Amino acid sequence: DAGITQSPRYKITETGRQVTLMCHQTWSHSYMFWYRQDLGHGLRLIYYSAAADITDKGEVPDGYVVSRSKTENFPLTLESATRSQTSVYFCASSVSGETLYFGPGTRLTVT
Amino acid sequence: GNSVTQMEGPVTLSEEAFLTINCTYTATGYPSLFWYVQYPGEGLQLLLKATKADDKGSNKGFEATYRKETTSFHLEKGSVQVSDSAVYFCALSGPGGNTDKLIFGTGTRLQVFP
Repeated sequence: DAGITQSPRYKITETGRQVTLMCHQTWSHSYMFWYRQDLGHGLRLIYYSAAADITDKGEVPDGYVVSRSKTENFPLTLESATRSQTSVYFCASSVSGETLYFGPGTRLTVT
Repeated sequence: GNSVTQMEGPVTLSEEAFLTINCTYTATGYPSLFWYVQYPGEGLQLLLKATKADDKGSNKGFEATYRKETTSFHLEKGSVQVSDSAVYFCALSGPGGNTDKLIFGTGTRLQVFP
């Protein structure tokens, strides 16, 4: 199916574990983004990518790693998960960086 | 740097009431302005946008006008429905009109009761 998908949709992990959230889009959009959504903070940008092999930090990048070897995929890795990384994570893609198309989100709980 | 301020929620209305959700911004240059909506359990989706001063964005009965003199982009709807219950986010393009990334407000929850 066309669109933007995220997996898993729900994840529970323990403090200190590595976890990877996947994002896949079928539109060949140049831009991809990772946001986290927390009560009282709205959406905060973690990392973004303007094209394959080009990534840049957003507002809250610490503790996260991204890669973009293919245009359609933009995985987000938490190298050593902490409780403060419990959140809902949204991936988005865009042609120009203005109109964003969001995935359904991944709810991550770190215990 | 650029920033967006939205009114605190939740906003609670009866069906067919008039809606206003306030949004003001601080920006360098001439950013584009956006409203995104998030329905329960879903990701955000673009509701409307305006790219220059005095532009009016509209969609699904919602409207917002880009007011440079008051640095505002308030969202309005004349008659809300229960199905409009959602979280609404105001956003603007990055510093100096940089469109590489958007800056979002904290969101305003709207609850509409029959």
